[in-house]
Amino acid sequence: AQSVTQLGSHVSVSEGALVLLRCNYSSSVPPYLFWYVQYPNQGLQLLLKYTSAATLVKGINGFEAEFKKSETSFHLTKPSAHMSDAAEYFCAVTPGFNQGGKLIFGQGTELSVKP
Amino acid sequence: NAGVTQTPKFQVLKTGQSMTLQCAQDMNHEYMSWYRQDPGMGLRLIHYSVGAGITDQGEVPNGYNVSRSTTEDFPLRLLSAAPSQTSVYFCASSYSTRPSTDTQYFGPGTRLTVL
Repeated sequence: AQSVTQLGSHVSVSEGALVLLRCNYSSSVPPYLFWYVQYPNQGLQLLLKYTSAATLVKGINGFEAEFKKSETSFHLTKPSAHMSDAAEYFCAVTPGFNQGGKLIFGQGTELSVKP
Repeated sequence: NAGVTQTPKFQVLKTGQSMTLQCAQDMNHEYMSWYRQDPGMGLRLIHYSVGAGITDQGEVPNGYNVSRSTTEDFPLRLLSAAPSQTSVYFCASSYSTRPSTDTQYFGPGTRLTVL
């Protein structure tokens, strides 16, 4: 079975500081991995995705994530946090090649940015 | 394009009542799905559809029915609402049914309270 674990349900950083949101996955087949962002009272938007090409993936709004197979991780980073980055972030994995577009989501990490 | 639309935005039901959450997309997407979002649990897949006339169960299907008579619409029915179904419900769609590079597009959500 596939699963995703996000370490830390709440992360708080100061404006301008590094953002690091952790995601570890479990998958019996080579995974595709995604990060989604949810701003307050809105639906989810795709930030970035890993689909077995480059292991360092760049997304929107200055975010990037690195796929590390040996560590089964896909951590999300941004060098300098902005107030507008305050949101909830979800890591997700697709479980296999023949199981449709099902996503398995992590529990979410709420990011707060202090001025 | 309006993208993925959901109605209503908010709903309060009494235990035992029935209702239908509406979801529509105008992107000609084959794949549509319903998720529920609960605090600390991320998003969990309820039902999904890989095309008109084809539906299947997700992770938490009990208490919910779906049908897909057209490509555009994918309603979610609660036959007899229970307090455990209090949640935020998201509909999502993607062009392809393969778990590949396709982005899932999410609607704005329906916040349901069952008393």
